[in-house]
Amino acid sequence: SQQGEEDPQALSIQEGENATMNCSYKTSINNLQWYRQNSGRGLVHLILIRSNEREKHSGRLRVTLDTSKKSSSLLITASRAADTASYFCATVRTGFQKLVFGTGTRLLVSP
Amino acid sequence: GAVVSQHPSWVICKSGTSVKIECRSLDFQATTMFWYRQFPKQSLMLMATSNEGSKATYEQGVEKDKFLINHASLTLSTLTVTSAHPEDSSFYICSAREQGASFYEQYFGPGTRLTVT
Repeated sequence: SQQGEEDPQALSIQEGENATMNCSYKTSINNLQWYRQNSGRGLVHLILIRSNEREKHSGRLRVTLDTSKKSSSLLITASRAADTASYFCATVRTGFQKLVFGTGTRLLVSP
Repeated sequence: GAVVSQHPSWVICKSGTSVKIECRSLDFQATTMFWYRQFPKQSLMLMATSNEGSKATYEQGVEKDKFLINHASLTLSTLTVTSAHPEDSSFYICSAREQGASFYEQYFGPGTRLTVT
């Protein structure tokens, strides 16, 4: 399977703490995206990082990409209870026109 | 902008019946729509890609006669689960690509939860 793996599968933290989740993939990619999914809802796009980029920021989000290790990380700083959701990475495999989603990390931020 | 809706948001049907799920792009024209399936606490798996006016392209292992996809207009795609069985119970999510955008720039609908009894 070309599906990516994310770890941890679940993460529980307190408000104000930082949350880091990782995504590993298997093939060469054009870009990698991170999405958030609230329980029982659709996906919200968070950030896209291209294969020639190493780091990207958006508000409290910081994404890194290491193509040599085929991995990416998403850091959420100063987390809030509203950040509670599942987070998925999605890759675009070179030469293919479809998104391949990782297994997801379920984040719980307690007040 | 870039809103995608799905209808219904949840549906319960009896085994053996068919159910239709609609996916609409509300404020843009969607050249391509994608249908995903998600089991509880699992990832999204692409089922098929549909381009307006042409037949859908199904992923390996997805039964095209069971999951009928129609993309008759630039704002509407439908997924019909035919002769549904309990194992078809799942969360179905569609996404849409705006005309002229890259295929990975997809806007996702809120999902439809299907329960087959």
